[in-house]
Formats: sequence, C-alpha cells, structure tokens
Amino acid sequence: AQKITQTQPGMFVQEKEAVTLDCTYDTSDPSYGLFWYKQPSSGEMIFLIYQGSYDQQNATEGRYSLNFQKARKSANLVISASQLGDSAMYFCAMRKGGKLIFGQGTELSVKP
Amino acid sequence: GAGVSQSPSNKVTEKGKDVELRCDPISGHTALYWYRQSLGQGLEFLIYFQGNSAPDKSGLPSDRFSAERTGGSVSTLTIQRTQQEDSAVYLCASSLAIGGSYNEQFFGPGTRLTVL
Repeated sequence: AQKITQTQPGMFVQEKEAVTLDCTYDTSDPSYGLFWYKQPSSGEMIFLIYQGSYDQQNATEGRYSLNFQKARKSANLVISASQLGDSAMYFCAMRKGGKLIFGQGTELSVKP
Repeated sequence: GAGVSQSPSNKVTEKGKDVELRCDPISGHTALYWYRQSLGQGLEFLIYFQGNSAPDKSGLPSDRFSAERTGGSVSTLTIQRTQQEDSAVYLCASSLAIGGSYNEQFFGPGTRLTVL
C-alpha cells in the first residue's frame, strides 16, 4: 500500500535561516508524483512544488527545493531564507491514480 | 481568475440531519476531488470525478456519504444522518486532468462542518 510519512509534528526555524521538512514514502509503483502543499492558519491549501519519479533533477521553485532521494524513498522540502510568512502546516503528498495521499503534516514556526 | 469555491464556508447541524456541501471547480478543469480534514485522521481522500467516467468512490467512509457532479462542473457532497464523527473541514479541489506526469490540484477554502 502507498503511504506517506512525515515524522516531524513541529519544527522551529529562525527567520532567514534554511529549514528541511522530512518526507518519506512507500510505493511499489515505478511511476509516481510527489507534492508539497502549504496550509496557513487561514486554511487554504497552497501548492508549492512537484517532483516526478522519473525527473532527473531535483525540483526547485523560488525558495523551495525538493531533496529527492529515490533509493531512500525520501522527498524532503527545503525552504531557504525563511520568512515569518512561512509559518504554516506543510503536507507532503503522493499521487495514486487521481487522488492524493497525504502525510500527517509538519507545523513550521518561524521565529523573528 | 476565479479559483475553486465552496459553500457554505461553515455549517452547523444537529446529529441525524442531512447536509449538502457545494463545490464550484475552476472553469475548464475536468477533474474534481473531495477530501476531508479532521484532527484525528488528517487529510483523507473521499471521491473524485474525471470527465464522464465513473467516479472513484473508494474513499467514502460509509454509505451515508454520496456525491454527484452535474454537467461536468459543480459538485455536491451529501452526508445523510450526520454523526458527530463527521465533523471536519471538507475540501474540494480541481485539476485539468488526472493523467499525465504533473497534475496540480487547486484547492478551495473548505467547508467547516460541525455536528452537534
């Protein structure tokens, strides 16, 4: 069965520093997609970054990058130069067919 | 441009009553998804629709839950005989398609359901 694991319920980071949010996954499918979403306290889910299983390079989107280690089945999100507005819940997800399977999330708090 | 919209934003109901939650996807998006977010269960997939294909209902927790999508656009999630454990935020999302290597799902603001 496909599964997403986020082992960090909460994380703290100092403003302007980088932070890594962990995500491991389990699947026997050779083709899959991995997503990260941000959910601020307002509740909306905001797409951040995508990594396909066959992508040769790690995905990057502005201050977000994905450290994709296929052999270890990990897809960690790296946020560089943290900002106060980055404080939110972060969800890792894997696409199975059409639906997304989500991890339990990591609550990130950015300290001034 | 307009994003995914959901109504109502909040719904309080009494145990045993039926409720209907509405989702308007982004225009042109052929795929529509319902998820539920609760404290104990995290984010759970409920159902998705893709064009005229039969929906994937594999995530619906019981036969009290049903959903329909009319005209390939608006969707309604219906919960019959609500129970307290149905209390959650119900999120709707839409995407251009399901297939392909990259298929971002755009989420609506959610409907917070409270069953008393």
